[in-house]
Amino acid sequence: SQTIHQWPATLVQPVGSPLSLECTVEGTSNPNLYWYRQAAGRGLQLLFYSVGIGQISSEVPQNLSASRPQDRQFILSSKKLLLSDSGFYLCAWSAGSINNQPQHFGDGTRLSIL
Amino acid sequence: GENVEQHPSTLSVQEGDSAVIKCTYSDSASNYFPWYKQELGKRPQLIIDIRSNVGEKKDQRIAVTLNKTAKHFSLHITETQPEDSAVYFCAASTNDMRFGAGTRLTVKP
Repeated sequence: SQTIHQWPATLVQPVGSPLSLECTVEGTSNPNLYWYRQAAGRGLQLLFYSVGIGQISSEVPQNLSASRPQDRQFILSSKKLLLSDSGFYLCAWSAGSINNQPQHFGDGTRLSIL
Repeated sequence: GENVEQHPSTLSVQEGDSAVIKCTYSDSASNYFPWYKQELGKRPQLIIDIRSNVGEKKDQRIAVTLNKTAKHFSLHITETQPEDSAVYFCAASTNDMRFGAGTRLTVKP
């Protein structure tokens, strides 16, 4: 069966520091991959999605970036974090070969910027 | 692009009552409509979904209805229990999936 792993589970970072969050999927090939941010008590904001290695689409302009160096690995990065980057970051995958499939979420990373 | 609106934003019901959450979407090409449940501090989890060739789907106490003409779909939870308390998200999808803003459901014992 397919599984999705995200780490770390929690992270406290100072303003201006870099960021790297990693997500990996097992048990499937060529998945669509997604990064979402969720502010406290709010909805899901799509940040990036990827349909294949090296293919990244950005939904909102910001100081974050994403990369997909391998088929089942998705990385969210920042060179300099802002206070507004605090939130709950969720990675998700869906079957890439078939349209209109559910997205399956990882356990998330709770990021606090001090 | 697709725009999904979800109502109400908060909903409080007594244990055993029914709860209904409604969503509307803008893109008539959307043909897949999942619902997610997110407990506090946890990840959203798929609870039920429906495709555009079906008008209603039921899974035990949960049902979803879809009206493609009016472009709205609803989640129905019957015989609610305290463990149903969570935030529920609807979504609509063509090639992209767009989520509603969420409904915080509280079931009072």
